[in-house]
Amino acid sequence: DAGVTQSPTHLIKTRGQHVTLRCSPISGHKSVSWYQQVLGQGPQFIFQYYEKEERGRGNFPDRFSARQFPNYSSELNVNALLLGDSALYLCASSLEWQGFYEQYFGPGTRLTVT
Amino acid sequence: DAKTTQPNSMESNEEEPVHLPCNHSTISGTDYIHWYRQLPSQGPEYVIHGLTSNVNNRMASLAIAEDRKSSTLILHRATLRDAAVYYCIRYRPGSGATNKLIFGTGTLLAVQP
Repeated sequence: DAGVTQSPTHLIKTRGQHVTLRCSPISGHKSVSWYQQVLGQGPQFIFQYYEKEERGRGNFPDRFSARQFPNYSSELNVNALLLGDSALYLCASSLEWQGFYEQYFGPGTRLTVT
Repeated sequence: DAKTTQPNSMESNEEEPVHLPCNHSTISGTDYIHWYRQLPSQGPEYVIHGLTSNVNNRMASLAIAEDRKSSTLILHRATLRDAAVYYCIRYRPGSGATNKLIFGTGTLLAVQP
């Protein structure tokens, strides 16, 4: 079975630009969450989407937005990129929205902002 | 406060058992304990979770103290592939109706051949 897939694998952008990251969850999983992982730290929660609706949002500025499509895939958008947005962006899917369901993480998208 | 406390790093020898401790002294009665691990250059991977009773699966065992203020992840026979950062995470159902996981900095496990 295919796991969570993310694209692109790596991305280099310039300050002020916009970026879109994509995630395909495991088949049958309805919940998608996004995390940001800065080097040397644990992942930090950005968003959770379930059945196309935002279920939760972490402490991130409005430059960060996301959406979930009818097929449960998801996009994370970041506007007006800052150097500090350089990080590994992880997508996780789970069967349902509750936290006692296992979350399956993708390999991540490495974003570098120059 | 969803804080857990783990040692920054631990070492183990291959094929020996590994006990990874986690302190969660402010845990409430409904909080779950989750363990995830992150191998180099990969996303985190679910290991195990529990509420009150000890739990076993194909990857590991989770021993939860009777007062639930601490827990231990047990890898029965460490392999080189188990070298990773291990995260102990508290999850509180109903907290904002999300599955948000709050990761700390975890324990970096080194496995020596």
